[in-house]
Amino acid sequence: NFMLTQPHSVSESPGKTVTISCTRSSGSIASNYVQWYQQRPGSPPTTVIYEDTQRPSGVPDRFSGSIDRSSNSASLTISGLKTEDAADYYCQSFDFSNRVFGGGTKLTVL
Amino acid sequence: QVQLVQSGAEVKKPGASVKVSCKASGYSFIRYGISWVRQAPGQGLEWMGWISVYNGNTDYAQRLQDRVTLTTDTSTSTAYMEVRSLRSDDSAVYYCARGQYTSSHHDYWGQGTLVTVSS
Repeated sequence: NFMLTQPHSVSESPGKTVTISCTRSSGSIASNYVQWYQQRPGSPPTTVIYEDTQRPSGVPDRFSGSIDRSSNSASLTISGLKTEDAADYYCQSFDFSNRVFGGGTKLTVL
Repeated sequence: QVQLVQSGAEVKKPGASVKVSCKASGYSFIRYGISWVRQAPGQGLEWMGWISVYNGNTDYAQRLQDRVTLTTDTSTSTAYMEVRSLRSDDSAVYYCARGQYTSSHHDYWGQGTLVTVSS
């Protein structure tokens, strides 16, 4: 089994850009798709990025995803931060028989 | 529209079992899998297991595989998750989520079911 490691928290000001990393412990990050979910308190997660870089309809293009093979990590970048982007963000991937979530990153926009 | 509607909150005693249902609508049930994910209070998301609705194959998180069983009823488009030998640290919100077979993208989620384990 592998793990996905995220920073516990990040904070940034409105209008700025923030990047959240997700590092895979073993196996290549490029071997299996990575998803990113946003979760607000009291609600189930919703997808902001799927299949590494794809954005569901309705998610603003301020959200983008990428993969870096050299660091074996995925990243979620949010530009033009808005106060409504404050939430918990989780990366998720899989291998042969396991789906794995990262530990989550609390984004504060202040 | 796609919906996953879960059964209501449960309160159980340690050692008991709980079975949560997840009724799907708005899509072809067998064309997707179902994952179950739980979230303890103030904690992150923990993947528990996956069931292929098409053929019934299951994958379980290693630390839960001895206590969790996933099933589906294709006649009613309903998925079930049972946890046995409940402990206090099983207290959590349990979610079902529709999963893509190829990418494991969980694109629709149930509303969550709170399970409280307390003596």
